[in-house]
Amino acid sequence: GQQLNQSPQSMFIQEGEDVSMNCTSSSIFNTWLWYKQDPGEGPVLLIALYKAGELTSNGRLTAQFGITRKDSFLNISASIPSDVGIYFCAGQPTQNSGYALNFGKGTSLLVTP
Amino acid sequence: DAGVIQSPRHEVTEMGQEVTLRCKPISGHNSLFWYRQTMMRGLELLIYFNNNVPIDDSGMPEDRFSAKMPNASFSTLKIQPSEPRDSAVYFCASTRRGANVLTFGAGSRLTVL
Repeated sequence: GQQLNQSPQSMFIQEGEDVSMNCTSSSIFNTWLWYKQDPGEGPVLLIALYKAGELTSNGRLTAQFGITRKDSFLNISASIPSDVGIYFCAGQPTQNSGYALNFGKGTSLLVTP
Repeated sequence: DAGVIQSPRHEVTEMGQEVTLRCKPISGHNSLFWYRQTMMRGLELLIYFNNNVPIDDSGMPEDRFSAKMPNASFSTLKIQPSEPRDSAVYFCASTRRGANVLTFGAGSRLTVL
């Protein structure tokens, strides 16, 4: 599948700080998804994006589908300790095709009180 | 809804032994995916099924790996013989065909000594 480059690889921040991470693709995607994985668990969907330029929020989380359709961003505002985990971007090159998602390698987030 | 159910959650085995991982997808979901997660390679798609039929198994590492889906509510991933480099967390995920939001199980952590 297409390669997704996710950055940064890890972040170590203080509680209350804002967080930004992004994901880029070498080709155009029609869908971008952001997942969070807690330790010892499977990834859980945070936000789904289906249209270029789309900006979607879920509580303190905001994600954007890049205009070029080759990138996406996730922002977390006012981080709290329970935000700790690994955040994955995932993309699908063709809408409703049944093809599986391609995942980035994840951004590991640590939040200190 | 019990979600995607995987078993066992943890398995420790010796090199050369056969390993069978099991998955029960969410009722009504007719696409099922097996992923492998390692620190080095992140989440890798191994194989996926639509309506119990394998669609793409190009991610299966080698002939030692096999997957079956005998019915809509059960799938297995088998490794025979297992090797230490197979140590990883194996995730099963499901979705409705054509949808792209995967629901993951909690994973099966495999350690091959």
